[in-house]
Amino acid sequence: DAGITQSPRHKVTETGTPVTLRCHQTENHRYMYWYRQDPGHGLRLIHYSYGVKDTDKGEVSDGYSVSRSKTEDFLLTLESATSSQTSVYFCAIRGLADGELFFGEGSRLTVL
Amino acid sequence: AQKITQTQPGMFVQEKEAVTLDCTYDTSDPSYGLFWYKQPSSGEMIFLIYQGSYDQQNATEGRYSLNFQKARKSANLVISASQLGDSAMYFCAMREMQAGTALIFGKGTTLSVSS
Repeated sequence: DAGITQSPRHKVTETGTPVTLRCHQTENHRYMYWYRQDPGHGLRLIHYSYGVKDTDKGEVSDGYSVSRSKTEDFLLTLESATSSQTSVYFCAIRGLADGELFFGEGSRLTVL
Repeated sequence: AQKITQTQPGMFVQEKEAVTLDCTYDTSDPSYGLFWYKQPSSGEMIFLIYQGSYDQQNATEGRYSLNFQKARKSANLVISASQLGDSAMYFCAMREMQAGTALIFGKGTTLSVSS
């Protein structure tokens, strides 16, 4: 158990509304990531963080912002949700051994 | 160009048989790592095995082994003695040391194990 909790696990929202997904870790790891998973695309990196207040963009960052004010929490915000952001969102932390990622259970977001 | 290619959308195997899931990668970074993950129907992502680009021997973890052919840029996952519980989506991923710490994933292969 890698000690990663995502909330909410399921959310249905309407186009144009703001949405925030939370990732909480108990492992005190420096690196945290947000990926989205869509059929036919595998997992694609949205944003990642390499420390408190240190974040960077990934492959599919448009329409998303992140914040990390504490080591344990990494927030993903959709300022104005669109139907194309309907997806399963995974948070991950980086392991210390070989750099493998340990994932949270995922958050399923549906934008109507 | 895709960095990680998994050409088999679906694979079918019978219990107790071995199965190979293909993965090819593309990088010019001499230092990189290759990973395999399993995603059962319940949705969680489970780390299976890791291979470093400088590792001389193929990685093994229980029934999982990684057939690493560096010159061919392939990193196939071999599952020996398949079990019904192996039915899942499998993802190959790569981390390029020069590019940072994030993993790049392939699109996945769905494995179905029948009795």
